[in-house]
Amino acid sequence: EPEVTQTPSHQVTQMGQEVILRCVPISNHLYFYWYRQILGQKVEFLVSFYNNEISEKSEIFDDQFSVERPDGSNFTLKIRSTKLEDSAMYFCASRATAYNEQFFGPGTRLTVL
Amino acid sequence: AQTVTQSQPEMSVQEAETVTLSCTYDTSESNYYLFWYKQPPSRQMILVIRQEAYKQQNATENRFSVNFQKAAKSFSLKISDSQLGDTAMYFCAFMKHVGGSQGNLIFGKGTKLSVKP
Repeated sequence: EPEVTQTPSHQVTQMGQEVILRCVPISNHLYFYWYRQILGQKVEFLVSFYNNEISEKSEIFDDQFSVERPDGSNFTLKIRSTKLEDSAMYFCASRATAYNEQFFGPGTRLTVL
Repeated sequence: AQTVTQSQPEMSVQEAETVTLSCTYDTSESNYYLFWYKQPPSRQMILVIRQEAYKQQNATENRFSVNFQKAAKSFSLKISDSQLGDTAMYFCAFMKHVGGSQGNLIFGKGTKLSVKP
């Protein structure tokens, strides 16, 4: 069964460093998402991406964040200068059409020291 | 703005028994989707069940069923014959029915379910 994959599973970084979180969505999916979950809290939407551009973003997704689909398979989330409060689980999700459910990857745990 | 409320932070149930998790939501939309996702200790988000708001019939997936009350904006999840593997966080989620490229999920805070042997 096709699945969304994410790498790395755990990333530790120093405050102020740049990180790139990688996702490979399911191959025939067209809509891509990033969510984050701070430990013990609910899952929060960051950004949606369709047709090679951002279609919607939350207030969390400020200028420090960017997304890219560089090669038609990978979908990346970049945080330019990490802060302590960026420590969270980051989930990538994808869906086939506008009316299907989203399938989530296993997440990347980001720890900012 | 849409909101999703799960009023039960934690619940427990004996193996083989039935448990119901509550979810209410607030929206001015008339057409939307509702979901229950399960998050076991591995923290992977797994879709349990979905409901289209325009469908009056409650969705069912094996031991999982929902009670969707559109007028009351209520969407509860019933788990029958609970199994140890059902132990997880359960998140209720809302998605607007949009014809375009949006459709992000709005999650509740979750209910931690423990199934006891």
